[in-house]
Amino acid sequence: GEDVEQSLFLSVREGDSSVINCTYTDSSSTYLYWYKQEPGAGLQLLTYIFSNMDMKQDQRLTVLLNKKDKHLSLRIADTQTGDSAIYFCAESYDKIIFGKGTRLHILP
Amino acid sequence: NAGVTQTPKFRVLKTGQSMTLLCAQDMNHEYMYWYRQDPGMGLRLIHYSVGEGTTAKGEVPDGYNVSRLKKQNFLLGLESAAPSQTSVYFCASSYTRGAYEQYFGPGTRLTVT
Repeated sequence: GEDVEQSLFLSVREGDSSVINCTYTDSSSTYLYWYKQEPGAGLQLLTYIFSNMDMKQDQRLTVLLNKKDKHLSLRIADTQTGDSAIYFCAESYDKIIFGKGTRLHILP
Repeated sequence: NAGVTQTPKFRVLKTGQSMTLLCAQDMNHEYMYWYRQDPGMGLRLIHYSVGEGTTAKGEVPDGYNVSRLKKQNFLLGLESAAPSQTSVYFCASSYTRGAYEQYFGPGTRLTVT
């Protein structure tokens, strides 16, 4: 069945770049997403990319998609303390499948 | 525009008690979902609805029931709560099922003792 895998934890120093990686199995995926969950809150869509694109940039965020390897990454430039959250990768074709989330911890 | 709201925010139940979680959305979305979130498990879909009067089972439906009598509301019921149902419950809604953003509520933290 469809599956989305991502590592559970990532620690990054403030000011450095964070790279969160994700792999998925469904080659029919049409959209791939990154959601952000701050403490005590629900998930909020951060950015998404169509499956026919290989890169999308939005201010400090860069999404890279390698469709051949079914690999998605989210790069956050100049990581700030406010970026501390859980980041969920998700893919969809006829339904959305979420990964288990990567907890990003910012070191001073 | 309130988006997706959930009530209550917190609840403590004793084993065997029942309760209903209410989700409401004001975006005229057809699709609504109930998820539970547990540490290390990510989000797991409990039930979902593709429109008023419809419901369908998700990944972990056992022990839960749902109803969608009005388009804007999606209710999640626990008939006889068990400690294994201690979790954070999220409601979400979307315009379509697969191809667009899901909007999430703030969550309900439920503890069953």
